[in-house]
Amino acid sequence: DAGVIQSPRHEVTEMGQEVTLRCKPISGHNSLFWYRQTMMRGLELLIYFNNNVPIDDSGMPEDRFSAKMPNASFSTLKIQPSEPRDSAVYFCASRKGQVDTGELFFGEGSRLTVL
Amino acid sequence: AQSVSQHNHHVILSEAASLELGCNYSYGGTVNLFWYVQYPGQHLQLLLKYFSGDPLVKGIKGFEAEFIKSKFSFNLRKPSVQWSDTAEYFCAVNARGPDKLIFGTGTRLQVFP
Repeated sequence: DAGVIQSPRHEVTEMGQEVTLRCKPISGHNSLFWYRQTMMRGLELLIYFNNNVPIDDSGMPEDRFSAKMPNASFSTLKIQPSEPRDSAVYFCASRKGQVDTGELFFGEGSRLTVL
Repeated sequence: AQSVSQHNHHVILSEAASLELGCNYSYGGTVNLFWYVQYPGQHLQLLLKYFSGDPLVKGIKGFEAEFIKSKFSFNLRKPSVQWSDTAEYFCAVNARGPDKLIFGTGTRLQVFP
């Protein structure tokens, strides 16, 4: 299995631009999670999906952030407009089954720098 | 709301030293507990997990953790660290029901030969 695939690995953009991060979960996994990692706040859960349906988006910082999962094999996290404080590493993770049976498998992350 | 505290932000050890990283959580109900590790330049990987049963769990690479319910703790231990253990370690808690994994802020471990 190829694991969780994220793209791009690195993105440098200017303030105000739209950023789209992409994630392909492991085939057969039915839950998908987006996390943001910063030095100050560590790993924060932004949103997670179960069977393509958003379950909890309470971690999404503000309306500039949105996430979609149109099918079981693809998800996007969009920031529009981006700001310098959005600079972070964004991780996607997927899991098969429920919380008490499966572990999370993480992608290698997308490092975002907003100038 | 659930929260996870890792009190050691940065730990520096020499090879062969013993390691204990603290993890405390706040949630009164049944929880699942995890330790993940992130080696330099790599993604997070599961080190060990506790769901139920024996509160002393053993993971990969000689790591173990003990769940002490009365103290809301899940400390990670290794009797003798190696240079290759240099990484960032994250404790995580999942309360049954909400089904979302909450991470601590991480502990950076540096092991010198």
